Amino acid sequence: NAGVTQTPKFRVLKTGQSMTLLCAQDMNHEYMYWYRQDPGMGLRLIHYSVGEGTTAKGEVPDGYNVSRLKKQNFLLGLESAAPSQTSVYFCASSPVSGQNEQFFGPGTRLTVL
Amino acid sequence: SQQGEEDPQALSIQEGENATMNCSYKTSINNLQWYRQNSGRGLVHLILIRSNEREKHSGRLRVTLDTSKKSSSLLITASRAADTASYFCATINTGGFKTIFGAGTRLFVKA
Repeated sequence: NAGVTQTPKFRVLKTGQSMTLLCAQDMNHEYMYWYRQDPGMGLRLIHYSVGEGTTAKGEVPDGYNVSRLKKQNFLLGLESAAPSQTSVYFCASSPVSGQNEQFFGPGTRLTVL
Repeated sequence: SQQGEEDPQALSIQEGENATMNCSYKTSINNLQWYRQNSGRGLVHLILIRSNEREKHSGRLRVTLDTSKKSSSLLITASRAADTASYFCATINTGGFKTIFGAGTRLFVKA
């Protein structure tokens, strides 16, 4: 099993550009999450999904959109990137119960100039 | 605001010593988890302790939970250079499932 994979690993954008980050998991997990991690801070939840076709807002959803068209994939979109979105983005998944441990991807380092 | 807050922010010890990290939180929780993050990598789950448990062990890890004080501690015994990483506590509120992470403790173990 590959676990949780993220593409791309690195990306540099100019202000106003758009992009999509892809997260894929092969563990048949129901729950998936997108976090951002900034220096000196813990992870902050952007959006999450409790199952295929469902999404919900987390702590810091502004400027981001998500889709979960397939159970194994969770996409994070930036429609108009801003320098404040420079961060490391992590995707995670967990089994049916949200109380279980989360499995994390390796992260995507995004820089917005 | 951060639910879990780790203390200290940074810790430097010699190999073989024990490392203790603390986590405080604000609201009632279902469980508390500890994760490790090596530099440039994703988080890896270490241990989960439920709100009705007081202590849990896993290898060289010992976790305690005091719900009356809303605090937890992670003890790593006989530390190794490979334990050098950031350690995060994470909580899930009672009735919810969104996980809230603290800012982490950066542990450096000198060989």
